[in-house]
Amino acid sequence: QVQLVESGGGLVKPGESLRLSCAASGFTFSDYYMSWIRQAPGEGLEWLSYMSATSSYTDYADSVKGRFTISRDNAKNSLYLQMNSLRAEDTAVYYCVRVFNGARGESFDYWGQGILVTVSS
Amino acid sequence: DIQMTQSPSSLSASVGDRVIITCRASQSISRHLNWYQQKPGKAPKLLIYAASGLQSGVPSRFSGSGSGTDFTLTISSLQPEDFATYYCQQSYITPRTFGQGTKVEIK
Repeated sequence: QVQLVESGGGLVKPGESLRLSCAASGFTFSDYYMSWIRQAPGEGLEWLSYMSATSSYTDYADSVKGRFTISRDNAKNSLYLQMNSLRAEDTAVYYCVRVFNGARGESFDYWGQGILVTVSS
Repeated sequence: DIQMTQSPSSLSASVGDRVIITCRASQSISRHLNWYQQKPGKAPKLLIYAASGLQSGVPSRFSGSGSGTDFTLTISSLQPEDFATYYCQQSYITPRTFGQGTKVEIK
């Protein structure tokens, strides 16, 4: 079965960096776009970033553009999110998400359990 | 960016009730609309894709409809396990955007 397991979260100070990892299993990772989505405490869902299956295409939300970098290693079935210059408003649960892209359109069909990132002095 | 507005923001309903949640996009998104269910402390789960497609494994009491700017999610007979927060999401253009959520509570 499809599994996405995030790691690397924790407590950091404003201005510091953190790298999230996502280990994928149960599907052919190199066939799928992947995405990061976050949810601030008590708030809704915010899409952050995409990466295509071959890493040729990336896209970012304006809120993280220039600070966050998505990457992947298909040989290791892993997705990453490098987060720099972290701010208090980046405090959230971060989800690693598989993107289904096909004739039926695009959807976020599998989600990891989420990992908490807290930015506080 | 496309704004997604859900209504109501919350509702109280009883087991067996028919529940309808609406989602409006700030511009036409054709049928590029998905619905997710999220229970407390859990990751969201895809329910409906492309406005009306039922994701595999999702009970048939869930259905979606609409196109253009106006969409609905219907739960035909609310079950105890359906008390959750529901989000719509457009996949028409980036940035992908979500509605603010509709919390379905027990009456």
